[in-house]
Amino acid sequence: AQTVTQSQPEMSVQEAETVTLSCTYDTSESDYYLFWYKQPPSRQMILVIRQEAYKQQNATENRFSVNFQKAAKSFSLKISDSQLGDAAMYFCAWAGANSKLTFGKGITLSVRP
Amino acid sequence: EAGVAQSPRYKIIEKRQSVAFWCNPISGHATLYWYQQILGQGPKLLIQFQNNGVVDDSQLPKDRFSAERLKGVDSTLKIQPAKLEDSAVYLCASSLVGVGVDTIYFGEGSWLTVV
Repeated sequence: AQTVTQSQPEMSVQEAETVTLSCTYDTSESDYYLFWYKQPPSRQMILVIRQEAYKQQNATENRFSVNFQKAAKSFSLKISDSQLGDAAMYFCAWAGANSKLTFGKGITLSVRP
Repeated sequence: EAGVAQSPRYKIIEKRQSVAFWCNPISGHATLYWYQQILGQGPKLLIQFQNNGVVDDSQLPKDRFSAERLKGVDSTLKIQPAKLEDSAVYLCASSLVGVGVDTIYFGEGSWLTVV
C-alpha cells in the first residue's frame, strides 16, 4: 500500500523568507504523480503544484517549487518570499495509475508578519 | 467556470440519525470523488465514480454509508445511521478523466458534527 508521510506537524516562517515543507512517500509503482495541496480554514483543497514521476526536472509555479528525489522517495515544497496569505495547512499527496489520491497528515504553516 | 458545489455546508445531527450530502461537479467532468477528512488528518477517499459507475469504494463503510451518481452528473452521499466517529468534513471533488491526466478540483466541503 502507498503511504505518504509528513513528519512535521507545524512550521513557522517570517514574511518574505523562504520555508521548506518535507514529505516522503512509499510506493512500488514506477509511474505516479505527486502533489502539494493548500487547505485554508475554509477547508477547500487548492492545488499548489504537481510533479510527474517520470520527469526529472523539478516543477515550479511562481514562488512555489519542489525538490523531487525519486530514489529517496522525497518530495519537498519550497515557498519563496512567503506571504501572509500562504498561512494554511499543506498536504502532500500521491496518486498512481488508478488516480486515487493518498494524502499525508498535513502540516500547519504560519507566517509571522 | 463554476467550481464544485456542495450542500449543505454545515450539518449537526444526533447519533443514529441519517444525513445526506449533495455534490455537483464541474460541468463535463467524468470523474467524481468523495473524501472524508477527520480533524487533524488528511482526506481519505471514500468512493470514486467514473461517469455513473463506481471505480473504487474499498474504503466506504458500506454498512452505513452509501453513494450514488445518477446520470453521471450530481452525486449524493448518505450516512445512516450516523456514529460519533463520522464527524468530519466530507469533500467532493471532480476531474475531467483522472488525476494522472488532469487536475482534481475540490469543493468547499460539508462539515458534519454528530452529537
